[in-house]
Amino acid sequence: DVKVTQSSRYLVKRTGEKVFLECVQDMDHENMFWYRQDPGLGLRLIYFSYDVKMKEKGDIPEGYSVSREKKERFSLILESASTNQTSMYLCASSWTAQETQYFGPGTRLLVL
Amino acid sequence: TQLLEQSPQFLSIQEGENLTVYCNSSSVFSSLQWYRQEPGEGPVLLVTVVTGGEVKKLKRLTFQFGDARKDSSLHITAAQPGDTGLYLCAGGSNTGKLIFGQGTTLQVKP
Repeated sequence: DVKVTQSSRYLVKRTGEKVFLECVQDMDHENMFWYRQDPGLGLRLIYFSYDVKMKEKGDIPEGYSVSREKKERFSLILESASTNQTSMYLCASSWTAQETQYFGPGTRLLVL
Repeated sequence: TQLLEQSPQFLSIQEGENLTVYCNSSSVFSSLQWYRQEPGEGPVLLVTVVTGGEVKKLKRLTFQFGDARKDSSLHITAAQPGDTGLYLCAGGSNTGKLIFGQGTTLQVKP
């Protein structure tokens, strides 16, 4: 079974802090994704990566950056957290960008 | 920009009732996926439909892809409390990525 794990289930941070969210997948997938999920807005793509050290901006990249130094690991960085970044963050991986995406359990981030 | 609109956004029904969730767009999608997300978990794929007019069944769940590949529906027969969750449709877009609908929250009361 594919397993996607995320470093934290819940995080509470203060405005201005730097926040790291880490995602690890064990299926050797080429593609990895970071989404944020807000009520009524569905899943919005922040960034995705199609290979090590490769990344592309999604629909809402502002305020975020990513890092993919190893194939199995994809990190989302909030350089200076703001209250409007309070959300559920979901990581996913897949063989190709349009095939089945396997999701982690999510990280619920609260920025105070 | 390709968009997927789901309706209804919220649905609260009694156990045993039937329901249909719709996923509509003005754009053509190469494929359409349906996911279910339970509280505290990530979405899990239920089915993928790729051919216009395709119908797939998964126990009490029936999925249909529109003939023009612009819309899809999910029908649940005799809903059970275990069907409670968030249902998301996602389309394979012309940008090479998945586009997600905003989701339908289903509550099935015993």
